[in-house]
Amino acid sequence: KNEVEQSPQNLTAQEGEFITINCSYSVGISALHWLQQHPGGGIVSLFMLSSGKKKHGRLIATINIQEKHSSLHITASHPRDSAVYICAVVYGGSQGNLIFGKGTKLSVKP
Amino acid sequence: EAGVAQSPRYKIIEKRQSVAFWCNPISGHATLYWYQQILGQGPKLLIQFQNNGVVDDSQLPKDRFSAERLKGVDSTLKIQPAKLEDSAVYLCASSLLTGWSPLHFGNGTRLTVT
Repeated sequence: KNEVEQSPQNLTAQEGEFITINCSYSVGISALHWLQQHPGGGIVSLFMLSSGKKKHGRLIATINIQEKHSSLHITASHPRDSAVYICAVVYGGSQGNLIFGKGTKLSVKP
Repeated sequence: EAGVAQSPRYKIIEKRQSVAFWCNPISGHATLYWYQQILGQGPKLLIQFQNNGVVDDSQLPKDRFSAERLKGVDSTLKIQPAKLEDSAVYLCASSLLTGWSPLHFGNGTRLTVT
């Protein structure tokens, strides 16, 4: 069983739809990163959170440490949001080791 | 601030040849990571440096892969000899401290081994 599971693996949405991407993990963690990877491009950090909720523009990330679950929401989705969204969990002590999920490929159609 | 720089952007080599990748992290970032990302998968950590010391290289195939970070700044990752299964994108990332800090990724080097 993968230690970090993302769902769905692939997601197609119409422009304007509300989107949710989920991340579940089995290890005890202290923080979680949400990352965005565009085709052929590098990876951009969207959020790092250890509790509650964070919001940046149309993006919202939530985490429940006890339930070992995090969600990334996109409101009023746009074709430029099309990318792979990756969740990475931080475990371990001072080293802050990371485990990555396989990513969710999002395609937003105009 | 300048981002994480990686070169080359693309590399095509034949199996059994050697190849080297270079990474220049963001100035002042103590932690540097090298990841391997095979198509359709999430990044897999190869090696993590804290300044010029190795923190984690448990998933580095040491019989063919090597990495160094001299003076705790730039880093190079080498593969010798390359195998077909090494075809992947090699990503370099840096953070101010460890995984507790926001990650900054380079654009990666796409390696094709034929």
